Amino acid sequence: TQLLEQSPQFLSIQEGENLTVYCNSSSVFSSLQWYRQEPGEGPVLLVTVVTGGEVKKLKRLTFQFGDARKDSSLHITAAQTGDTGLYLCAGEGYGGATNKLIFGTGTLLAVQP
Amino acid sequence: EAGVAQSPRYKIIEKRQSVAFWCNPISGHATLYWYQQILGQGPKLLIQFQNNGVVDDSQLPKDRFSAERLKGVDSTLKIQPAKLEDSAVYLCASGPQGFTGANVLTFGAGSRLTVL
Repeated sequence: TQLLEQSPQFLSIQEGENLTVYCNSSSVFSSLQWYRQEPGEGPVLLVTVVTGGEVKKLKRLTFQFGDARKDSSLHITAAQTGDTGLYLCAGEGYGGATNKLIFGTGTLLAVQP
Repeated sequence: EAGVAQSPRYKIIEKRQSVAFWCNPISGHATLYWYQQILGQGPKLLIQFQNNGVVDDSQLPKDRFSAERLKGVDSTLKIQPAKLEDSAVYLCASGPQGFTGANVLTFGAGSRLTVL
């Protein structure tokens, strides 16, 4: 069974601070996605990383895929209140003809004004 | 493009009652997924369809949960009888044929179930 553990589970910070969320597994994934979910809504894709060691930037968000494709991190610079939400990593496993997406345990971020 | 539609958005039932959720995926999407999400946690895959065939239902509690996708379009997820621990949000997602990571899933807003 492929598992993705995220840390920290909860994070409360002040606006303007930096933060990093980690996503770790003992399994290798063909790709890894990061989603953000707001209350009452479904997860919305932020980024997909495919190559080991890959780094992608999305404005103040920086995503990195580990060299061994077992882990990933999300770094937010100068957090804003609009960044508040549940951050989910999701790994694409090897499920035969159609790969399945396994979600991490989630990191709940609260950015205080 | 219209998104993934789910209904009902909210449902409150008593334990041992039954409930059904409906999902209409994005037109043309071959893969459809049902996830269960406990408050504050990551979604857990219940079942994955490719067109109208089941690809993976290894984590579906088959003694009480069932799902079907007739004609490879809409899908229903049923729980009978419901237990207290079934209280969760049930998310439906769809993706293009042969999801490989280059294509992404689109999620519906979810159906929130409360079992009393």
